[in-house]
Amino acid sequence: DAKTTQPTSMDCAEGRAANLPCNHSTISGNEYVYWYRQIHSQGPQYIIHGLKNNETNEMASLIITEDRKSSTLILPHATLRDTAVYYCIVRPPNSGYALNFGKGTSLLVTP
Amino acid sequence: DVKVTQSSRYLVKRTGEKVFLECVQDMDHENMFWYRQDPGLGLRLIYFSYDVKMKEKGDIPEGYSVSREKKERFSLILESASTNQTSMYLCASSLAGTGGNPYFGNGTRLTVT
Repeated sequence: DAKTTQPTSMDCAEGRAANLPCNHSTISGNEYVYWYRQIHSQGPQYIIHGLKNNETNEMASLIITEDRKSSTLILPHATLRDTAVYYCIVRPPNSGYALNFGKGTSLLVTP
Repeated sequence: DVKVTQSSRYLVKRTGEKVFLECVQDMDHENMFWYRQDPGLGLRLIYFSYDVKMKEKGDIPEGYSVSREKKERFSLILESASTNQTSMYLCASSLAGTGGNPYFGNGTRLTVT
């Protein structure tokens, strides 16, 4: 699986957009970009995934650059409950059963 | 709503004890997984199962075994608990095949003294 690089930590003011970057410069053509988050004392939670096009769901938007070497997860109106560790994961569609979570970005949303 | 339930949030056991961690999912998922999560090491896959009575070793199976007698239930067994098995244990499930998104339980924090 391709390696991802994320900042260790970020802050965001409540109500503002949180933009979490992820670099995946070695991504292959068939590899998807997945985002999960883990709120303290809970299991990881699926957020969104995409291949080439930008994606949006009720939780977030995923912007993937045209060369697919990086992506940004956008939480449009961050709340205190969005404070969590966010994991960017790259994997092929049939790569096996496990996800390689890495260390993620610790997002702190402040009042 | 999707639900993966782990039987205990916190567990304290003594060295040498046999420990059972139970996980139940209500989504009729074929795949089930056991991970452990440790600071600085991320999530590491211990075992997974893609069908009843089927199991496959993950990255760190040593010291663990699993049981899947029913589709909805996946048990992790520590045959003889050791202090280096003190960790957060996470169960997950997903649809058949290798591309399904895993859904996770809230974890069991096991302390072995």
